[in-house]
Amino acid sequence: SAVISQKPSRDICQRGTSLTIQCQVDSQVTMMFWYRQQPGQSLTLIATANQGSEATYESGFVIDKFPISRPNLTFSTLTVSNMSPEDSSIYLCSVSPLDSPTETQYFGPGTRLLVL
Amino acid sequence: QQPVQSPQAVILREGEDAVINCSSSKALYSVHWYRQKHGEAPVFLMILLKGGEQKGHEKISASFNEKKQQSSLYLTASQLSYSGTYFCGTELTDSWGKLQFGAGTQVVVTP
Repeated sequence: SAVISQKPSRDICQRGTSLTIQCQVDSQVTMMFWYRQQPGQSLTLIATANQGSEATYESGFVIDKFPISRPNLTFSTLTVSNMSPEDSSIYLCSVSPLDSPTETQYFGPGTRLLVL
Repeated sequence: QQPVQSPQAVILREGEDAVINCSSSKALYSVHWYRQKHGEAPVFLMILLKGGEQKGHEKISASFNEKKQQSSLYLTASQLSYSGTYFCGTELTDSWGKLQFGAGTQVVVTP
């Protein structure tokens, strides 16, 4: 498995501001994904972070609200823009290691975001 | 489309068994099982690929019925450490790598 870190681990933000979350992996990975988990809920896929090209967004999520970068095979960022209290959630990145024989996905520790 | 998980919750005494089910209305390529403890990230348990294989992790095993697009997770001789919320994540045959997660099954194991 891969060692995944996320920064920040938690933050409290004011509405209308933006926050960038970083996901760093200790080895090269093929796929990187960003998920949102609202309090007491399941995980919802936001987008697939593609290395060297634009991210692929799921229905209900748009680039203007959640811009994503993936400059290389070990790093990605997710920005939550123009935040409102409804954006309060845990944001998790997941990765699929290059040396995994199947598309096993491992989750980072998550970023807990509270928007006031 | 989100898979359907059942039951929503289950309470067990140590040593008892439980089954968690996950079903999809669409053709699946794989099913992934995770356990999440409160305040922590989901932890990968196992993946089942098309082919109906069964896998095991400690005393936790799972099966995948490709014809019915269903997977079941079996908790055998449960331990206190098995407590948590179990999620199945399904990968459709035409959505490589993308997982849709069920609503989760909360498992509480009591002494």
